[in-house]
Amino acid sequence: NAGVTQTPKFQVLKTGQSMTLQCAQDMNHNSMYWYRQDPGMGLRLIYYSASEGTTDKGEVPNGYNVSRLNKREFSLRLESAAPSQTSVYFCASRGDIGSARYGYTFGSGTRLTVV
Amino acid sequence: AQTVTQSQPEMSVQEAETVTLSCTYDTSENNYYLFWYKQPPSRQMILVIRQEAYKQQNATENRFSVNFQKAAKSFSLKISDSQLGDTAMYFCAFMKHSQGAQKLVFGQGTRLTINP
Repeated sequence: NAGVTQTPKFQVLKTGQSMTLQCAQDMNHNSMYWYRQDPGMGLRLIYYSASEGTTDKGEVPNGYNVSRLNKREFSLRLESAAPSQTSVYFCASRGDIGSARYGYTFGSGTRLTVV
Repeated sequence: AQTVTQSQPEMSVQEAETVTLSCTYDTSENNYYLFWYKQPPSRQMILVIRQEAYKQQNATENRFSVNFQKAAKSFSLKISDSQLGDTAMYFCAFMKHSQGAQKLVFGQGTRLTINP
């Protein structure tokens, strides 16, 4: 089925460890996004990519890096995890204006716990 | 910058009742989209309904409908004949209408519980 695939679904890290969250979409979308979800705060944008080769900071980029490897893949890296980064992370992609599916398609999320 | 506010952190109704979730937003844009997303316990974000700001007619999707008041910057979601499967977090979201990587701005969410 077409959609956005995120891995892993769950992860526990120790403070200071690094990890990369992977995201891939097969809908030929140009735009991709990384959000984090915290209780009472909705979803907040970490980084986004308008197209292959470009990335931009969102609302809460500190402590994260991203790579738009190709049109399909957009990864999020935590270089030195901190307890404040405990959250649920969502990757999303967006269809272009005029497409029948204009709007975001989300992955199933990654629950990350930093201890 | 755009902001989205959902003033009801939690709501609870009986099965088969009608429930309305509130959402207000702040923007200086004239062309934009508004969305309601549902997040059940599975954590998946599911698009419920979408409204284009240039359309005066309120969007409907089966039991789900919106009341879009552009001048008041209000976008409420009405769920008719509520079902147990409607139990979820509901998020209101805003996006500008333009080319490029337009960002989706979310409200804080409303936790809806449908009781048997």
